[in-house]
Amino acid sequence: AQRVTQPEKLLSVFKGAPVELKCNYSYSGSPELFWYVQYSRQRLQLLLRHISRESIKGFTADLNKGETSFHLKKPFAQEEDSAMYYCALLIFNKFYFGSGTKLNVKP
Amino acid sequence: EAGVAQSPRYKIIEKRQSVAFWCNPISGHATLYWYQQILGQGPKLLIQFQNNGVVDDSQLPKDRFSAERLKGVDSTLKIQPAKLEDSAVYLCASSPLAGGPGEQYFGPGTRLTVT
Repeated sequence: AQRVTQPEKLLSVFKGAPVELKCNYSYSGSPELFWYVQYSRQRLQLLLRHISRESIKGFTADLNKGETSFHLKKPFAQEEDSAMYYCALLIFNKFYFGSGTKLNVKP
Repeated sequence: EAGVAQSPRYKIIEKRQSVAFWCNPISGHATLYWYQQILGQGPKLLIQFQNNGVVDDSQLPKDRFSAERLKGVDSTLKIQPAKLEDSAVYLCASSPLAGGPGEQYFGPGTRLTVT
């Protein structure tokens, strides 16, 4: 069963527009959720984790247990935000990744 | 600090051949992961080591895949014999024992093509 679902394979927005990358998870316990990002020709890296409630590069993500979602948001997208974004769920020290969303920010 | 190193970066083999991948984690990192990432999918955990012991290998196809982490440092992942469906990027990641959850550092990956 798919633990993490990212419904959009590709999301294109114009620079300065708001962006929301969707992530839904399947887990009845208390989840630990993360967003990872892979910029072109770079390695996969951690962007943010929900327990930190931090904002990284203007991105935030709120855990909604009722909707079992952990959407990634940014009010004003920048061209340098273009990348692959993966949502990940950690259960008993094991990571489950979504299939990823490619964000394309157009000038 | 130096990042996670992997070699080779690319490998093309024929089905039924054998292949091995090597990973050198960040110095001092106790946990090492091998992931398989098929085109269009997210990384899937194959095996996780804590020092030189296996923590989880439930998704490792043990009839053809094997992995070891001698002395709790470097690790090798082997496929023998390879199948067409093994074509993927194989990612190695490591994390410190005292690191926060999710704090994995990924290598550049090895892209395997099985023909």
